[in-house]
Amino acid sequence: ETAVFQTPNYHVTQVGNEVSFNCKQTLGHDTMYWYKQDSKKLLKIMFSYNNKQLIVNETVPRRFSPQSSDKAHLNLRIKSVEPEDSAVYLCASSDERLFFGHGTKLSVL
Amino acid sequence: QQQVRQSPQSLTVWEGETAILNCSYEDSTFNYFPWYQQFPGEGPALLISIRSVSDKKEDGRFTIFFNKREKKLSLHITDSQPGDSATYFCAASENYNQGKLIFGQGTKLSIKP
Repeated sequence: ETAVFQTPNYHVTQVGNEVSFNCKQTLGHDTMYWYKQDSKKLLKIMFSYNNKQLIVNETVPRRFSPQSSDKAHLNLRIKSVEPEDSAVYLCASSDERLFFGHGTKLSVL
Repeated sequence: QQQVRQSPQSLTVWEGETAILNCSYEDSTFNYFPWYQQFPGEGPALLISIRSVSDKKEDGRFTIFFNKREKKLSLHITDSQPGDSATYFCAASENYNQGKLIFGQGTKLSIKP
């Protein structure tokens, strides 16, 4: 049963454009995350938010910025996308376990 | 530098056999090791996990064997079913209740009927 919802499922854009991905969790968790899964399926954490406070930033490029309105929502904005940003972006939330959404697949042409 | 390594990269077994997926890690501070299962087009889902104070964790057909001294663990899937075909990720973290996980590169498992 899905409890972490991501939109859109897919997004195709051109180099230099700005994109924004949405994520909502209905689990009541305090902490949410963004992970990036590359073409080789390698998963790496990008950000985590706890009660709207950024607590982890794994040195991702500055063109990436997380945005949160409340603890149930954590969006991801990419300003001026580059080809290497093509990947699946996975939103997650946690209490004692990490729950992932289905992901947003980004293709940068 | 890959802190969590998995082998093999891909594995094919016959239905009913036991699939063995291997994982190793480098950081001695890691004390929580979940395994995630991912089907195409979906996000990873927690399958089973173990803490470093234990050497074995069993849940139905899935068993984790953990060797702290050698920094190795393995996932055994007994009586493999075609529905078990997926990519399996080993992960590690320093804290049990933290979502900051370091993932291995995954093992793609295929079960032949």
